[in-house]
Amino acid sequence: AQKVTQAQTEISVVEKEDVTLDCVYETRDTTYYLFWYKQPPSGELVFLIRRNSFDEQNEISGRYSWNFQKSTSSFNFTITASQVVDSAVYFCALSEAKNRDDKIIFGKGTRLHILP
Amino acid sequence: NAGVTQTPKFRVLKTGQSMTLLCAQDMNHEYMYWYRQDPGMGLRLIHYSVGEGTTAKGEVPDGYNVSRLKKQNFLLGLESAAPSQTSVYFCASSQYGVMGVSYEQYFGPGTRLTVT
Repeated sequence: AQKVTQAQTEISVVEKEDVTLDCVYETRDTTYYLFWYKQPPSGELVFLIRRNSFDEQNEISGRYSWNFQKSTSSFNFTITASQVVDSAVYFCALSEAKNRDDKIIFGKGTRLHILP
Repeated sequence: NAGVTQTPKFRVLKTGQSMTLLCAQDMNHEYMYWYRQDPGMGLRLIHYSVGEGTTAKGEVPDGYNVSRLKKQNFLLGLESAAPSQTSVYFCASSQYGVMGVSYEQYFGPGTRLTVT
């Protein structure tokens, strides 16, 4: 069965520090997709990144970067030079995509506080 | 494009009352989903639909019903509300993916429901 674990329930860092959010997943499939979403205090869910299981290249988008390692079943998210606006709950998610239903399983989220 | 919209944004119900939450998307997406979000529980899938006229149960379907009469709309019904259904409800949609391809979900702004 598929499962996503975000072991860090809550993290606080001072502005401008780097912070890494951990995500560990479980799946029996060889074809799957991983996602990260951001939920700021306003409550909406914002899609950040989608990565398939065949692409292990790290991705960088501005201050955000993602490290995908199949060997450890991890898809970690790093924010460099954090800002107060990065304060949010971040969700990691997994989809096995083997069926037409395309369901996504979410982790329980990591609440990130960036302190000024 | 409005993306995914939800009606209403807030609602207070008394135990035993019924209501319908409406989700609409203008992205011509095949798939639509209803989630509930409770503190510390992440997002849990209630029901989903892989196309007009189809519905299926998710992780926590009890006490809810859904209908997808039109491709752009996905309705979530509570026939007899209970305090345990107090939650924030999110609707999401995603585009169709051929077998083995999974796309990101786009979320509505959420509906905060309180059952007293």
